[in-house]
Amino acid sequence: NAGVTQTPKFRILKIGQSMTLQCTQDMNHNYMYWYRQDPGMGLKLIYYSVGAGITDKGEVPNGYNVSRSTTEDFPLRLELAAPSQTSVYFCASSPFLSEKLFFGSGTQLSVL
Amino acid sequence: DQQVKQNSPSLSVQEGRISILNCDYTNSMFDYFLWYKKYPAEGPTFLISISSIKDKNEDGRFTVFLNKSAKHLSLHIVPSQPGDSAVYFCAAPLNTNAGKSTFGDGTTLTVKP
Repeated sequence: NAGVTQTPKFRILKIGQSMTLQCTQDMNHNYMYWYRQDPGMGLKLIYYSVGAGITDKGEVPNGYNVSRSTTEDFPLRLELAAPSQTSVYFCASSPFLSEKLFFGSGTQLSVL
Repeated sequence: DQQVKQNSPSLSVQEGRISILNCDYTNSMFDYFLWYKKYPAEGPTFLISISSIKDKNEDGRFTVFLNKSAKHLSLHIVPSQPGDSAVYFCAAPLNTNAGKSTFGDGTTLTVKP
């Protein structure tokens, strides 16, 4: 029972590079989320999805894009990486909106 | 505009004593709250929740209290153990109308042996 799997665990990008953070879940959850956590701060919602083909912005979507072509996968795309995107990124899923979230182990991203 | 706030960044207690972590919220429409625990280099994991129809929910050493009139909830850990040392986040379910984060900034609990 893998739960929510995120790859990679660590990544260093140069300013202006692009990358995709992968997230997959094997619990057949409808809802998926991307959060970022900056040092000493809470989790800020980047994007979320209520099902395959449906995505919506959270409170910090600028500089990111997502897609949800299947129930299992919810990749996060960073275009033109900037130092402000240095953070730890967490993917999560839940069966319903008001249910507890299941988190992946995170991706530590540094943009230099 | 943070809808869930944890005003204490850190808390240190002795092993065996009670730990009390606090959380305040602003949106009276919230009807369900959750606490997550996070160890370094790991994702948060669900700890305990409470519905607004209750004022208390207990699970072993962990109890969450909800005071709706004060828009305040607290997590009690009794007795505290060194393995409880982690960051604790208070959260409410996502408000899709606002798309806003519903996590507090977290409280780092240190339990000293």
